[in-house]
Amino acid sequence: GQNIDQPTEMTATEGAIVQINCTYQTSGFNGLFWYQQHAGEAPTFLSYNVLDGLEEKGRFSSFLSRSKGYSYLLLKELQMKDSASYLCAVSLSGGSYIPTFGRGTSLIVHP
Amino acid sequence: SQTIHQWPATLVQPVGSPLSLECTVEGTSNPNLYWYRQAAGRGLQLLFYSVGIGQISSEVPQNLSASRPQDRQFILSSKKLLLSDSGFYLCAWETGGDYGYTFGSGTRLTVV
Repeated sequence: GQNIDQPTEMTATEGAIVQINCTYQTSGFNGLFWYQQHAGEAPTFLSYNVLDGLEEKGRFSSFLSRSKGYSYLLLKELQMKDSASYLCAVSLSGGSYIPTFGRGTSLIVHP
Repeated sequence: SQTIHQWPATLVQPVGSPLSLECTVEGTSNPNLYWYRQAAGRGLQLLFYSVGIGQISSEVPQNLSASRPQDRQFILSSKKLLLSDSGFYLCAWETGGDYGYTFGSGTRLTVV
């Protein structure tokens, strides 16, 4: 089966940096998504990593290590509005690229 | 522009009643469409996906069904709702490229 693990909850201070980890064991791998989901709302796309390494998009960066089955989302200069759930999702190879989601990490940013 | 619409936003239904949730996309043709469910404290669970009119793939055996009567319309249905069907239902469209999947605004279903 597919297994995607993320911490359930994290807290951080406004202005700080936080790293949200995701590990996966899947039968096949094509790429890894990160989504942000505010309470009661739909997920919104943040990043998609296919190759190893770090990809930066403004305050958010995403890292992937395919050999280790590991990814992280790095959020810099945290703002209160970054309080949300962050979903890690793996796109499998073998004909179906439909993402399989982890349970998400609830990030709470406090003043 | 390309958009995805989903309705209703919230729904409270009694056990045993039928269900119909609708999702439509605009600004694209022949999209791959998906229905996900998110139960409280759990991740997004893929329910159905469709690559074209009349083509439905089911991922999880359950009390639900899906249909794709038109190219840009995807419907989630049930003949008799169960309490366990409560959750947040999301329709998604495979945007492709570097943009992944775009989700509709979701339907919060409470079965009472």
